[in-house]
Amino acid sequence: ETGVTQSPTHLIKTRGQQVTLRCSSQSGHNTVSWYQQALGQGPQFIFQYYREEENGRGNFPPRFSGLQFPNYSSELNVNALELDDSALYLCASSLTVNTEAFFGQGTRLTVV
Amino acid sequence: AQRVTQPEKLLSVFKGAPVELKCNYSYSGSPELFWYVQYSRQRLQLLLRHISRESIKGFTADLNKGETSFHLKKPFAQEEDSAMYYCGLSYNQGGKLIFGQGTELSVKP
Repeated sequence: ETGVTQSPTHLIKTRGQQVTLRCSSQSGHNTVSWYQQALGQGPQFIFQYYREEENGRGNFPPRFSGLQFPNYSSELNVNALELDDSALYLCASSLTVNTEAFFGQGTRLTVV
Repeated sequence: AQRVTQPEKLLSVFKGAPVELKCNYSYSGSPELFWYVQYSRQRLQLLLRHISRESIKGFTADLNKGETSFHLKKPFAQEEDSAMYYCGLSYNQGGKLIFGQGTELSVKP
């Protein structure tokens, strides 16, 4: 059984650009959540996908968007990048919506 | 609004000493509380959740609704307990987690 994998591990982008982060959920899991973790802070909930539909969203602007595919992998897209978007982005998958979340290693995004 | 507060950024104890990592929350409904741990160079992982009432690696946590707290305790700290600890709250039964800022536990020999 493979765990949650995220790609890329590190990324540097310029302010104003767009970025796509990817997450492969753990086998058998149909729910994926995304979190942003700024330096020295706890993870902040961005949104959750359940069976390809958005199932809740945190306090993030619309330029943060996502997708979940039929195989339950997921993407996080961020448009018009800002310097404050620099953070570790964590993906977590769950068997279903109210079960234990298993986290990936994260993608470190730096916006310059 | 839902919020989780971990008042200590760093907690340093000696091996064998008792440990208590504090967590307070604000939530108007019935939350589900968790503790997650992140060891050096490893991913965030669930340590325990209040509904299971388990003791994991010697750690326990009791939900005190009156004080809105969910402190993590261990009677005798070990060096391998050194890690970042995050208290989390799940609301709306959706598994969406609100985390505190985290407490770094350092256990010295």
